[in-house]
Amino acid sequence: GAGVSQTPSNKVTEKGKYVELRCDPISGHTALYWYRQSLGQGPEFLIYFQGTGAADDSGLPNDRFFAVRPEGSVSTLKIQRTERGDSAVYLCASSFSGLGTGELFFGEGSRLTVL
Amino acid sequence: AQSVTQLGSHVSVSEGALVLLRCNYSSSVPPYLFWYVQYPNQGLQLLLKYTSAATLVKGINGFEAEFKKSETSFHLTKPSAHMSDAAEYFCAVSDGTGRRALTFGSGTRLQVQP
Repeated sequence: GAGVSQTPSNKVTEKGKYVELRCDPISGHTALYWYRQSLGQGPEFLIYFQGTGAADDSGLPNDRFFAVRPEGSVSTLKIQRTERGDSAVYLCASSFSGLGTGELFFGEGSRLTVL
Repeated sequence: AQSVTQLGSHVSVSEGALVLLRCNYSSSVPPYLFWYVQYPNQGLQLLLKYTSAATLVKGINGFEAEFKKSETSFHLTKPSAHMSDAAEYFCAVSDGTGRRALTFGSGTRLQVQP
């Protein structure tokens, strides 16, 4: 596709369940980022991939959160034992070669609601 | 460490009036600075960026921002607001040290009154 694609657009789950959120970046973009945006807040950095490897995962809040990008393209954000506080919009972005002067292209986000 | 402060979570202007959205940053190294816009039900879109070249940066849709190191500011302006400018605007900073992440402000929602 032409832009960053995220699925699902909306996910409602129960406390304690496991969820996966998928991001399909722009073709050819080597850098991929996950952010989390809570209501009334700006996006908060979670993790950055350069190719297949996580170059910076310092934003992951705890070990319930994990992300992979096995082939250097599609990425999956995985959340175990979800809690109500995990409810937020999860944003994915990609860029041609990583930040610096490059532009990040964002998807529309996956809205997660934990009941 | 770096941070961004956006003064005013909501700004309302009349159509045709000046738009001024404030952003102050904190960074221990020369920063890269960005403004992003988020229209309803759309992804964040880059408006403009400062990367240590000209201090006055022009972006899309008639917006511009001026980097003022002495004031640690990067305010966003547009001379004449249009109804289509109604959106949420985010200022962001990167420290350029190789930690490849943006730190965003909490956003300012711009309303444009007819």
